[in-house]
Amino acid sequence: EPEVTQTPSHQVTQMGQEVILRCVPISNHLYFYWYRQILGQKVEFLVSFYNNEISEKSEIFDDQFSVERPDGSNFTLKIRSTKLEDSAMYFCASSVGTGVGSGEQYFGPGTRLTVT
Amino acid sequence: GEDVEQSLFLSVREGDSSVINCTYTDSSSTYLYWYKQEPGAGLQLLTYIFSNMDMKQDQRLTVLLNKKDKHLSLRIADTQTGDSAIYFCAVAKSGGSYIPTFGRGTSLIVHP
Repeated sequence: EPEVTQTPSHQVTQMGQEVILRCVPISNHLYFYWYRQILGQKVEFLVSFYNNEISEKSEIFDDQFSVERPDGSNFTLKIRSTKLEDSAMYFCASSVGTGVGSGEQYFGPGTRLTVT
Repeated sequence: GEDVEQSLFLSVREGDSSVINCTYTDSSSTYLYWYKQEPGAGLQLLTYIFSNMDMKQDQRLTVLLNKKDKHLSLRIADTQTGDSAIYFCAVAKSGGSYIPTFGRGTSLIVHP
């Protein structure tokens, strides 16, 4: 069964460093998403991406974040200058479409980001 | 904005029924989801219900929606140890991108 994969599973970085989290969505999916979950908190939406551009973003997704689909398979989340509060589990998801019947989002296993 | 709340832990004995509860605040929420997360895995969509439904049954899973009280529940019949996981409630509105708002997740522990 096709699945969303994410690398690395755990990333440790120092405050102020840039990190890139990588995701490979399911191959025939057109919509891509990033979510995060700070330990003990709720899963929060960051951004959705369709047709090579951001379709929706939350207020969390500020200028330090960016997303890219550098090739036909990868979808990346870059955090430019990490802060301690960026420590969280980051989930990538993809879907065929949006709404009923095609909007089911398939999630990856997550990347745990630890900023020290 | 939307707020989704659920209790953090539930412990049940194998073979019993589990009921995981969720409340939400936005009465215009149209799609209500239950996701399951097993250790080391992503969130798996278990089932969903539309706001114009009261109940949906899918094998051992029963979803109940009380739209007036904005209360959603997931009942797992004959709970097995393999059901041990974190269960997330999520709600979304129709139109736009249907981005779900999640609760914190309920950790279900099934003991023999």
